[in-house]
Amino acid sequence: QKEVEQDPGPLSVPEGAIVSLNCTYSNSAFQYFMWYRQYSRKGPELLMYTYSSGNKEDGRFTAQVDKSSKYISLFIRDSQPSDSATYLCAMSDLNQAGTALIFGKGTTLSVSS
Amino acid sequence: GAGVSQSPSNKVTEKGKDVELRCDPISGHTALYWYRQSLGQGLEFLIYFQGNSAPDKSGLPSDRFSAERTGGSVSTLTIQRTQQEDSAVYLCAIPMDTNYGYTFGSGTRLTVV
Repeated sequence: QKEVEQDPGPLSVPEGAIVSLNCTYSNSAFQYFMWYRQYSRKGPELLMYTYSSGNKEDGRFTAQVDKSSKYISLFIRDSQPSDSATYLCAMSDLNQAGTALIFGKGTTLSVSS
Repeated sequence: GAGVSQSPSNKVTEKGKDVELRCDPISGHTALYWYRQSLGQGLEFLIYFQGNSAPDKSGLPSDRFSAERTGGSVSTLTIQRTQQEDSAVYLCAIPMDTNYGYTFGSGTRLTVV
């Protein structure tokens, strides 16, 4: 079992839809959870960052962490064609220099106008 | 992304040749990471640098892979006797100043033919 599981999709939605992206993980020591967005032929860019459990909202984006279920989600409201990208979850267990992030495989999202 | 420059952006090489990939981060970052992104495999950690030393090189897939960093700045990843399975995007990253995420470069897309 991989440490982090993420459905690769692809996921296709119409403009304006609510999108739900998810990851599950096996290491209960993970405390730092992130979502990255990656456009084609670009490096990943940090979208959302959450420590431990709970919700975090930033504009149209909401990140949720449920440590009891080892499950994290990213919700995108009022999705736009510009949201079309690959979304990667990432997590780590230690807030120390050198702790490598563990990434999911990424979910490819396409939002049609 | 801003803060990390990688070169070349694309590299096509013949099987069995050696290649050198370069990462040039903005100054002041002692930590540096290399990741590999293969089709369908997500981001795989390769090596972590703290200054010029590499305390964690556990992700290097074989002894054909090596990396160095000089002056606490530029890093090079060298792949000897390239194989087709080495084809991937090689990404370099530095820690972000404001949280525990990374800033990634745009990567080097390596194709071994």
